[in-house]
Amino acid sequence: DVKVTQSSRYLVKRTGEKVFLECVQDMDHENMFWYRQDPGLGLRLIYFSYDVKMKEKGDIPEGYSVSREKKERFSLILESASTNQTSMYLCASTGQVRETQYFGPGTRLLVL
Amino acid sequence: GQSLEQPSEVTAVEGAIVQINCTYQTSGFYGLSWYQQHDGGAPTFLSYNALDGLEETGRFSSFLSRSDSYGYLLLQELQMKDSASYFCALYTGGFKTIFGAGTRLFVKA
Repeated sequence: DVKVTQSSRYLVKRTGEKVFLECVQDMDHENMFWYRQDPGLGLRLIYFSYDVKMKEKGDIPEGYSVSREKKERFSLILESASTNQTSMYLCASTGQVRETQYFGPGTRLLVL
Repeated sequence: GQSLEQPSEVTAVEGAIVQINCTYQTSGFYGLSWYQQHDGGAPTFLSYNALDGLEETGRFSSFLSRSDSYGYLLLQELQMKDSASYFCALYTGGFKTIFGAGTRLFVKA
């Protein structure tokens, strides 16, 4: 059974804190993605990675960075959290069949 | 630009059939997908239409008409467990998928 896991289900952080969200997949997928999900806006792509140490900006990369040091692991970093980054963050991966995305359970982040 | 529109909410009765529509604007795409997301859960892949027409997977079917820029997800023999949000998504190639805002389906007894 394919599996994408995320390090936390819920996080509460203060404005200005550095936040790390981690995602691990066990499907040996090349491609990994970070989305944020907000009511009425659907899923918006923050960053993606198509190989170890490779990353590309998505549609809303401002305020975020990513790291992919190992194939199975993709981290999202909020360098200085702000209240407008309060959201649900979803990690996903794809293999050769790129039109099918496998999602993790999400991390609900609250920035106070 | 590229965008997808779907109704924000749909309500149906257990045992009935419900259709969730998705209209889109895009300059080009490879196919239309549907995902299901239960409250607090991960979106899970349901179906993918690369070609026009109907794709059937058990109680769920998905349809695409490129000429009408339109697709739908059809759920038959509705069950309470089908209460969830449903997202349509355009695969535009490479690493890019554009998601709709989602339709929340309420199934009543």
